[in-house]
Amino acid sequence: KNEVEQSPQNLTAQEGEFITINCSYSVGISALHWLQQHPGGGIVSLFMLSSGKKKHGRLIATINIQEKHSSLHITASHPRDSAVYICAPSQDMRFGAGTRLTVKP
Amino acid sequence: NAGVTQTPKFRVLKTGQSMTLLCAQDMNHEYMYWYRQDPGMGLRLIHYSVGEGTTAKGEVPDGYNVSRLKKQNFLLGLESAAPSQTSVYFCASSPGGANLYEQYFGPGTRLTVT
Repeated sequence: KNEVEQSPQNLTAQEGEFITINCSYSVGISALHWLQQHPGGGIVSLFMLSSGKKKHGRLIATINIQEKHSSLHITASHPRDSAVYICAPSQDMRFGAGTRLTVKP
Repeated sequence: NAGVTQTPKFRVLKTGQSMTLLCAQDMNHEYMYWYRQDPGMGLRLIHYSVGEGTTAKGEVPDGYNVSRLKKQNFLLGLESAAPSQTSVYFCASSPGGANLYEQYFGPGTRLTVT
C-alpha cells in the first residue's frame, strides 16, 4: 500500500514568488503524475514523469525515484495559478490529498 | 473531441434510492476509472476497467457496482444510496500501455444523499 504525503497542505503566496510543493511516497514506482484541480473542480494533467525533470512554461517538476520524492515548482507565481495541486505516484492509483495554493496579487 | 464527459453533473438522492452515473470518453482509451473525492481527502479509486467487458475493485468499492459493456462507456451504480456516499465523483480514462498513468478526467458529478 502506497502512502502518499504532500506538503504543505495549504500555501499562500504573493504574486511573483517562487513556489515549491512536495510529494513523498512509500512504495517504489515507475511514474508519477502531477495534476491541477481548478477552483471550479475540473482536474487537468500537468506532468507525467519517471525520472529527472520536466518543464512546461513556468512549471517545473522533478522526481528522485531512489528517495521516493517529487517536487513541483512554480516560478513567477500568478493569481491564476491558485488551485489544488495533486500528486499521484500511480502504481496503485493512490493520490495525495493535495496542496491548496492561493496566490495573492 | 469532447474528451471525458459525465452525466449527470448534480444529483440529490434520498437514502435507499438507486442511481447510475454515466462516463463516456471519445479518445478510444482502454482504461477507465471511477473515483470519489471527499473534503480533506485525496481522490480514492472505487472501481476501474482495463478494457471492454472487464472491471476490477479499487480502494473503496463497497456499495458500488460498475459495468463496461462498451469501450467508450463506464457506468457506476449505487443500488441503495447512503449518506456516506455523498461525495464528488470523477471519472477518468487513460490510453494504457506506455501512457498507463496519464489520466484524463471528466468534470465530476456532485452527489448528495439525504
